[in-house]
Parts: sequence; structure tokens; C-alpha cells
Amino acid sequence: GQQLNQSPQSMFIQEGEDVSMNCTSSSIFNTWLWYKQDPGEGPVLLIALYKAGELTSNGRLTAQFGITRKDSFLNISASIPSDVGIYFCAGLVGGADGLTFGKGTHLIIQP
Amino acid sequence: NAGVMQNPRHLVRRRGQEARLRCSPMKGHSHVYWYRQLPEEGLKFMVYLQKENIIDESGMPKERFSAEFPKEGPSILRIQQVVRGDSAAYFCASSTTAGTGKAPLHFGNGTRLTVT
Repeated sequence: GQQLNQSPQSMFIQEGEDVSMNCTSSSIFNTWLWYKQDPGEGPVLLIALYKAGELTSNGRLTAQFGITRKDSFLNISASIPSDVGIYFCAGLVGGADGLTFGKGTHLIIQP
Repeated sequence: NAGVMQNPRHLVRRRGQEARLRCSPMKGHSHVYWYRQLPEEGLKFMVYLQKENIIDESGMPKERFSAEFPKEGPSILRIQQVVRGDSAAYFCASSTTAGTGKAPLHFGNGTRLTVT
């Protein structure tokens, strides 16, 4: 089946630093999504990308849909304590397919 | 506007019992998806339903698992004769159209099933 390789697995950063994480795949996806999950809760959608090459921002978050349609990255600028959590990328081929999720990037912010 | 509602939040079952997990989609959403999440893992797609129809159940185990989304009432994920390996968080998501298209999935807060 399809797989998404998400990296890094975890990040330990200082408050105020910028963060970058990415997802790659051996197969093409037509939609890329980035979710954040806090402990005990469901994933919350951060950014959705629908076109190859698309660059989209949501506040301090910026994500891009790779031109090859096989990768995507998420950047967080000037991290704050509430950014702590697990970030998941997810890809969709189309139609009625379910999302394929990466294994997540744990973001830990040291004061 | 209430989000996707799942209940119970936590469910404990002994091996061999049945587990029933309920999901009420967001208002106006007629497409429901169930995902399973094991500790330290991403979510894995199980099944996609529209009202009264199963559209794609390719991610759901063939035995002991079933799902429904009746005309009235919530979607139900049913696990018969649970085993320890069924212990996981089960998430429901809903959207207004098929797949995500231009309508991304909105997730509930999950049901954490523990099989003892």
C-alpha cells in the first residue's frame, strides 16, 4: 500500500525557533494535508494543499505541495509553547479513497 | 456548530465481548470515515460510509469488524469478540463530499478502546 515517510520523528527546539518538517512518498498524491494532534484529542486540520507547487500559509504556518506531487513540507515560524504536539502529514489520491497518514513528528519546545 | 461527536471517549472491554463505538458527524456532513490509531503511529483508514451505504471498507479487517451509517442516527463501528490487539484509539471523521476534494475531513476526539 501507499506509505508516507515523515521526518524528523521528533524535534526538541527552543521557544522562538523556526521549525521545518516534511513528508515524502514513492507514489503520487493529489491532495496533501497537515494535521496537529494534542494528547487525548483528534487531529485538527492546519493546512490543505490541492495543487502541485502550491504554497499556503495559515498564520505562522506555511506548507508547500511539492512539484512532483510526492512530497510536502510544513514550516512553523517563531515557535511558541502551544505549538507542542504531534504533527501529521496526510495524502489523498482522490475520489473516495481514505487518507494515508505519516507516522507523525513530535514537537517539543524547551523554554 | 458542534464538531464531530464520538462516544464513549473511553471503553474497556474484556476479551470476547463486543465493542460499539458511535459517531455523529458534523451538521450537514453525509460522509463518514473511521480510522484506527495505535500508540506512536499515524491514523490508518478503515472504512468510508455515506448514509445507508458502505463505499470503501478496504481498510477494515474482514472478520469481527462491521460499520454502519443508518438513515437516522449516528454511525456505528462494531467490533465483535474483541481481542487485546484491538486496543487502540478509533477516530471518526466527516466531510461534505467524497474523499476530501475541497472539503477536508474534520475529526472527532476519538474513542479509546482498551481490551483486558
